[in-house]
Amino acid sequence: AQSVTQLGSHVSVSEGALVLLRCNYSSSVPPYLFWYVQYPNQGLQLLLKYTSAATLVKGINGFEAEFKKSETSFHLTKPSAHMSDAAEYFCAVSEGATDKLIFGTGTRLQVFP
Amino acid sequence: SAVISQKPSRDICQRGTSLTIQCQVDSQVTMMFWYRQQPGQSLTLIATANQGSEATYESGFVIDKFPISRPNLTFSTLTVSNMSPEDSSIYLCSAGDSTYEQYFGPGTRLTVT
Repeated sequence: AQSVTQLGSHVSVSEGALVLLRCNYSSSVPPYLFWYVQYPNQGLQLLLKYTSAATLVKGINGFEAEFKKSETSFHLTKPSAHMSDAAEYFCAVSEGATDKLIFGTGTRLQVFP
Repeated sequence: SAVISQKPSRDICQRGTSLTIQCQVDSQVTMMFWYRQQPGQSLTLIATANQGSEATYESGFVIDKFPISRPNLTFSTLTVSNMSPEDSSIYLCSAGDSTYEQYFGPGTRLTVT
């Protein structure tokens, strides 16, 4: 069965610091991997996706993630945090193009001035 | 990309009653999904709404409690039946197209008293 594990339910960084949110997956088939962001009182917005093309995926708002098969990881990074990045971030895995998504437990990112 | 709207955006209901949530997509999509996000938790898939056939429910969710309709390729409803306080959650609709991503609606915040 597919699953994702997000290490760290809360991450705090200073404005301008590197953001690193960790995600490890488990899948018996080549996975599709996603990062979503949820701002307070809003729905989910897709940040980026991996669908077996380039292993380094660039998304919106300066975020990127690297698919590492050997480590079964898909960590999300951003070189310099902004206050507006404060939100909940979810990693998700899917077996197919429009198959159901399995979500991780989420990581709440706080950004301090 | 698809734009998804949900109605109502929030509601407060009494236990024992039912609430129907509507999900409208601005374009035809192949699959639609319903998720539940309990307070402070991640998203859990309730069911896949299939056009022209019965919805496919995940383990722990049953049709009698969460009946779903999908009369066409742009619209779906989820009913939360015989509600109890444990049903207080955010209910999100998502739609999947052929480009390996799902778009999410803003969610319906349900409080059961």
